[in-house]
Amino acid sequence: DVKVTQSSRYLVKRTGEKVFLECVQDMDHENMFWYRQDPGLGLRLIYFSYDVKMKEKGDIPEGYSVSREKKERFSLILESASTNQTSMYLCANSQQGRWETQYFGPGTRLLVL
Amino acid sequence: GIQVEQSPPDLILQEGANSTLRCNFSDSVNNLQWFHQNPWGQLINLFYIPSGTKQNGRLSATTVATERYSLLYISSSQTTDSGVYFCAVDTGTYKYIFGTGTRLKVLA
Repeated sequence: DVKVTQSSRYLVKRTGEKVFLECVQDMDHENMFWYRQDPGLGLRLIYFSYDVKMKEKGDIPEGYSVSREKKERFSLILESASTNQTSMYLCANSQQGRWETQYFGPGTRLLVL
Repeated sequence: GIQVEQSPPDLILQEGANSTLRCNFSDSVNNLQWFHQNPWGQLINLFYIPSGTKQNGRLSATTVATERYSLLYISSSQTTDSGVYFCAVDTGTYKYIFGTGTRLKVLA
């Protein structure tokens, strides 16, 4: 059974804290993605990575950075959390060249106070 | 950039009813996917359907690429169909653009 896991289901942080969200997949897929989901806005792409140490900005990268040191692991970093980063964060992955099927993790609900 | 609109935004059905969800997109697309997000937040891929028609059990989908829309049909709905349905399109940039979703509630 394929698996995409995210480090936390729920997270509460304070404004200004550095926040790490981690995604791990056991599918040996090359492509990994971070989205945020907000009511009325659907899912919006923050960053994606098509290989180890490679990253590309999505539609809303401001305030975020990412790290991909190993193929199976893709981290999203909030350098200094702000209240407008309160959201649901979803990680996904897909095979290289197989953009048609993305597999999603269970999501992390982040609350920044 | 490309716009993706879904309708209706909300839908309430009695168990056993049929429904049609619509996804309109403003430009040509290479790929189109339908997803279901269950009440616990998990997103599951339903169909990859850039064109044509596909069926999987009680669900089927049709994309008419030339007219820039896709339809998701749910027949004999069950309470487990509740959740949010998203369509997402890729214009060849390898970045999927998601619609805002249709929230479906099926009543027992």
